[in-house]
Amino acid sequence: AQKITQTQPGMFVQEKEAVTLDCTYDTSDPSYGLFWYKQPSSGEMIFLIYQGSYDQQNATEGRYSLNFQKARKSANLVISASQLGDSAMYFCAMREGLDTGRRALTFGSGTRLQVQP
Amino acid sequence: KAGVTQTPRYLIKTRGQQVTLSCSPISGHRSVSWYQQTPGQGLQFLFEYFSETQRNKGNFPGRFSGRQFSNSRSEMNVSTLELGDSALYLCASSLRDTEKLFFGSGTQLSVL
Repeated sequence: AQKITQTQPGMFVQEKEAVTLDCTYDTSDPSYGLFWYKQPSSGEMIFLIYQGSYDQQNATEGRYSLNFQKARKSANLVISASQLGDSAMYFCAMREGLDTGRRALTFGSGTRLQVQP
Repeated sequence: KAGVTQTPRYLIKTRGQQVTLSCSPISGHRSVSWYQQTPGQGLQFLFEYFSETQRNKGNFPGRFSGRQFSNSRSEMNVSTLELGDSALYLCASSLRDTEKLFFGSGTQLSVL
């Protein structure tokens, strides 16, 4: 089974509107972390936001927020007030075994977001 | 603070050759991880080093190896290159006690 599933290969959004990028995950480990990264055409992976499995509140970083629904195993990224510069690939990733020192991230297949003026 | 630096940015090799990629982590970061990104397989974990020791290894053949130096800089080596090794190789660094991984811009390897 896929550990990280991103069901939206591509998304379009109008500038200044909000957009939600979906991510579901699969793990039996009680201690894990969920990440979102942005990859523009330049190739660099840019860290956006992080949510730990024990965090009680949803993470927020500026215009980015993570809608964490633990029981449903979903960690959707919400981008408010989209900007043209937000056009990029977005990857959801998970790191399991936070208390065991494992640092490998498992990535989803990504969602290509295009912001239209 | 300088980010993660990877060199070279682009590399073209032929089948059977070997290649060495370099990664300089963010100053103070002691953990360095490597990932391979291809259109078909997506992003896959290669290995992770901390204080010159390999702590984790992904599911890649022994042709893929790496090392970390005392200044935390890391290199990865691919021997006997195959066409399927063409990919973007990304390096990431992190502090020991933080969950954030910071990535470099990658090395785009093309094997002809």
